[in-house]
Parts: sequence; C-alpha cells; structure tokens
Amino acid sequence: DTGVSQNPRHKITKRGQNVTFRCDPISEHNRLYWYRQTLGQGPEFLTYFQNEAQLEKSRLLSDRFSAERPKGSFSTLEIQRTEQGDSAMYLCASSLVNREETQYFGPGTRLLVL
Amino acid sequence: LAKTTQPISMDSYEGQEVNITCSHNNIATNDYITWYQQFPSQGPRFIIQGYKTKVTNEVASLFIPADRKSSTLSLPRVSLSDTAVYYCLVAPTYSGAGSYQLTFGKGTKLSVIP
Repeated sequence: DTGVSQNPRHKITKRGQNVTFRCDPISEHNRLYWYRQTLGQGPEFLTYFQNEAQLEKSRLLSDRFSAERPKGSFSTLEIQRTEQGDSAMYLCASSLVNREETQYFGPGTRLLVL
Repeated sequence: LAKTTQPISMDSYEGQEVNITCSHNNIATNDYITWYQQFPSQGPRFIIQGYKTKVTNEVASLFIPADRKSSTLSLPRVSLSDTAVYYCLVAPTYSGAGSYQLTFGKGTKLSVIP
C-alpha cells in the first residue's frame, strides 16, 4: 500500500502529557499537510510543508504544537502539555506540487485527552 | 475563498441515484469545484473535480451549470458502503504563489438505508 500512513491510529493520554504523531506521505509527494478534525466538523488546516520547509501555520496551531519534517519525507506533530480541548482526529495529507487541490489523506490519529 | 452551502444530511435507499447539491454563489473565475468523501474513522478521499459542464469518473458524476453558482454530485445506484460525509470545496488550482490549504465545511452526511 503506497498511500499516506499515520501512527498511532489512536492515542489516549492524560492532561499535561506530551504526545507525538507520525505521518508518512506518498513517497513522491513533496507537499505535506496537517489538519485537525473534531466531531461533526470538517477538517481544519493546521500547517503544511514543502519538502522540509514549514511554510505556513494556522492560528489554530498554538505554541504547544510543533511539527517537523526533517528530511522532507515523514513528518511528526508534537503536542506539549495536552489539554482536553486537544481531543480530536489529527489528519495528515500529501500532494504533488501544482496539484495541491488534490490531497491524499491518511487514516488519521484519534487523540483523547483525559 | 468562496463559501459553500450544502444540506447537512440526506437519506437514500440502496439502489437509488443520489444527488447532492452545493451552492457557491461567490465562486471566482479561477475556482474549481472539488468533492471529497469521508467514511467514519478515515481521512477524506478525493472523488471528483470539475470546472464547468459535466465530469464523470468511475465513482460519481459532477454537474456544473453555466453560471457555476452551484454544482451537483451524483452517485448512481448507491449501496450501503456509500454511507459517508460528502464535502464540497471551491478553491483555485494552485498558482505557485505560496501555500495551499483545503477549506472544508461541515459536509453532507449521506445515510444509505437497506
């Protein structure tokens, strides 16, 4: 399967703990996006990378959130000092340059903060 | 970005054709219309995109009238496995000028009934 993969699929943590999620995009895609989705809502953009460069961050991405894509391949999203409001599905997507309107999404990581 | 309006939910029996209409009165000249499908606990999946008239692929058809202020996603002979949320998005194709993010609304929850 050469689609976008995300790990873990589920994460339960206690408030105040740090969590890290990983995304492996489709190998030839050099654009990678992170979205967050809460129940009953559509996905909301968080940030995106072109190769290893993080080119845009949403206002939703507070200082407790950090994302990296060190070698321009996989990406990690870390949430420090988690809060109950961080509970959501975190989605990763990738695309080709000049085909950004067609993004391929992974299955997501569902985070529950107790 | 042009705002989209689509029904919150729809029900259909198996085997019927389903048409989901999306309004986008403020669509710009360089905007394309894209539909994504999302199954429970999965990321969205691109299903079809168009600019004007009609587009058909193996999954669906997309009808866009001449004024482009609305579009209709048509799913032929739905089955239980078509139960999902369908999102209508309106956005320009990438211009190379910077970042690109998809803006999702709440979508239309389609329930297919046996």
